Amino acid sequence: DQQVKQNSPSLSVQEGRISILNCDYTNSMFDYFLWYKKYPAEGPTFLISISSIKDKNEDGRFTVFLNKSAKHLSLHIVPSQPGDSAVYFCAAKKYSGYSTLTFGKGTMLLVSP
Amino acid sequence: DVKVTQSSRYLVKRTGEKVFLECVQDMDHENMFWYRQDPGLGLRLIYFSYDVKMKEKGDIPEGYSVSREKKERFSLILESASTNQTSMYLCASSAVGGRYEQYFGPGTRLTVT
Repeated sequence: DQQVKQNSPSLSVQEGRISILNCDYTNSMFDYFLWYKKYPAEGPTFLISISSIKDKNEDGRFTVFLNKSAKHLSLHIVPSQPGDSAVYFCAAKKYSGYSTLTFGKGTMLLVSP
Repeated sequence: DVKVTQSSRYLVKRTGEKVFLECVQDMDHENMFWYRQDPGLGLRLIYFSYDVKMKEKGDIPEGYSVSREKKERFSLILESASTNQTSMYLCASSAVGGRYEQYFGPGTRLTVT
């Protein structure tokens, strides 16, 4: 049972425009959400996170929005740059238990000049 | 700056061989994790450890074991490698509490022939 879903395997955007990556979750026990970026042949790097007590968190060009009632979060990248081309993973942590993360399958973002 | 290193970037082994993947982190993190990444499947947790000599199964532990004799080192062992264990293996670490980010190593691309 996939608890964190990224339904778009890929997304293409032009440089300078907004990129919106989406993530849905099914487990109400998730209380913390993270986005990671991964280039080929490298490990994922942490990008931005949000606690379930907030609905928005911003860091430079990156903003994450959380809609708890819809169990949906999104990552906005504005403006998109070619260097943003990578696979983006959404991850979630459960409220109790160990601090393990459940990852989505990822969305490949391609930003063209 | 957190650094997680993995013993090999690329590894080729034969079916039936015993394989050791080593991971070292330098930030005194309590938690360490082993994932595998496969196309279309995202990151899947194999095992994790929250303390020295402690280990917990993740989502796909079958065919793997782990060892954590020192806080900074976490080893993944494939007792008898099989072709379906050909994958990218990623090690990560995180601190207790805080913001729950996991810091990843560069990965080991293992091919079992």
